[in-house]
Amino acid sequence: AQKITQTQPGMFVQEKEAVTLDCTYDTSDQSYGLFWYKQPSSGEMIFLIYQGSYDEQNATEGRYSLNFQKARKSANLVISASQLGDSAMYFCAMREESGYSTLTFGKGTMLLVSP
Amino acid sequence: EAGVAQSPRYKIIEKRQSVAFWCNPISGHATLYWYQQILGQGPKLLIQFQNNGVVDDSQLPKDRFSAERLKGVDSTLKIQPAKLEDSAVYLCASSLLGTGNFYEQYFGPGTRLTVT
Repeated sequence: AQKITQTQPGMFVQEKEAVTLDCTYDTSDQSYGLFWYKQPSSGEMIFLIYQGSYDEQNATEGRYSLNFQKARKSANLVISASQLGDSAMYFCAMREESGYSTLTFGKGTMLLVSP
Repeated sequence: EAGVAQSPRYKIIEKRQSVAFWCNPISGHATLYWYQQILGQGPKLLIQFQNNGVVDDSQLPKDRFSAERLKGVDSTLKIQPAKLEDSAVYLCASSLLGTGNFYEQYFGPGTRLTVT
């Protein structure tokens, strides 16, 4: 079974609107971390936001927030007020306590922001 | 602070040839990772070093791939001989040695390999 599932191959949003990118995960560990990375066309992976499994508050970093629903095993990324520069691939990833510091990535979602 | 450096950025080789990639992590980062990212997929870990020791190489195709991290600093990933399915972006990342679940991995720009 896939550990990280991103069901949206592509998403379109207009500039200044909010968008939600979906991510569900599968783990039997009690302690784990969830990450979102952005990969622009230049290829470099850019860390956006982190949520720990024991964190009670949803993580926020500027325009990025993580909608963490532990019982549903989902960790959706919300981008508010989209900008043209947000057009990129977005990857959800997980690190499990039972694995060293290995990140397991989903297949990604391509986000296109239009003017 | 300088980021993770990788070279070359692009490489085109014929199948059965050999190729090597180089990575210099962020200064002071004890952990170094090599990922393979095939087009349309997320990165997949090939090997993880902590200082100069291997922590996890369970997904490294050891019959053709090898990696080393001499002196616990920079690292080299080699493919010999290359196959068509090795065409991918090879990403290097590094992180501090930490505890808990959160230690950010910093990624390099990657090396795009095309095997013809």
